[in-house]
Amino acid sequence: AQKVTQAQTEISVVEKEDVTLDCVYETRDTTYYLFWYKQPPSGELVFLIRRNSFDEQNEISGRYSWNFQKSTSSFNFTITASQVVDSAVYFCALSEAGANSKLTFGKGITLSVRP
Amino acid sequence: KAGVTQTPRYLIKTRGQQVTLSCSPISGHRSVSWYQQTPGQGLQFLFEYFSETQRNKGNFPGRFSGRQFSNSRSEMNVSTLELGDSALYLCASSFSGPSYNEQFFGPGTRLTVL
Repeated sequence: AQKVTQAQTEISVVEKEDVTLDCVYETRDTTYYLFWYKQPPSGELVFLIRRNSFDEQNEISGRYSWNFQKSTSSFNFTITASQVVDSAVYFCALSEAGANSKLTFGKGITLSVRP
Repeated sequence: KAGVTQTPRYLIKTRGQQVTLSCSPISGHRSVSWYQQTPGQGLQFLFEYFSETQRNKGNFPGRFSGRQFSNSRSEMNVSTLELGDSALYLCASSFSGPSYNEQFFGPGTRLTVL
């Protein structure tokens, strides 16, 4: 069975601080996909990144960066120089490969960025 | 390009009633997935449809059902509503499915069961 653990439930930082959101996953599949989504107060899940299990390169997109480590089954997300608009719930998710796939989500991390 | 739309956005029902929620995917997307979000259980997968066929189903009772039409629009139905069905129901679409392409989510339908 697949499982995603986001051990941090709530994080509060002051604007301009860097913050890392942790994600640990479990799967028996050798091919799988990892995702991060952001859910602002409006409720709509916003896609941030999709990464396949064969690509362990770290990725940077503006102030966002992701660190994928297969050895520790982790896919952590760092926001550099956080802003108030980053306040949201962040979900890490895992999907197996194939036609019958679905997203298994972690419980989410509520990030509050204070001015 | 229009995003995923869901109707209605809010719904209030009483126990025992049934409800139908609608989802229109992004144009060209053939896969539609449904998720239930509650404070206690988080985001849970309900089912996924592709080309009018249910390809995958989560661990929900038979009261939860869905279908997909030839234009890829999807509906989900919950019969004999229970208080525990109160949740945010999210629909997501992608070209081929969750593992092939990124899924884009709609704003959700917030269902309250009294």
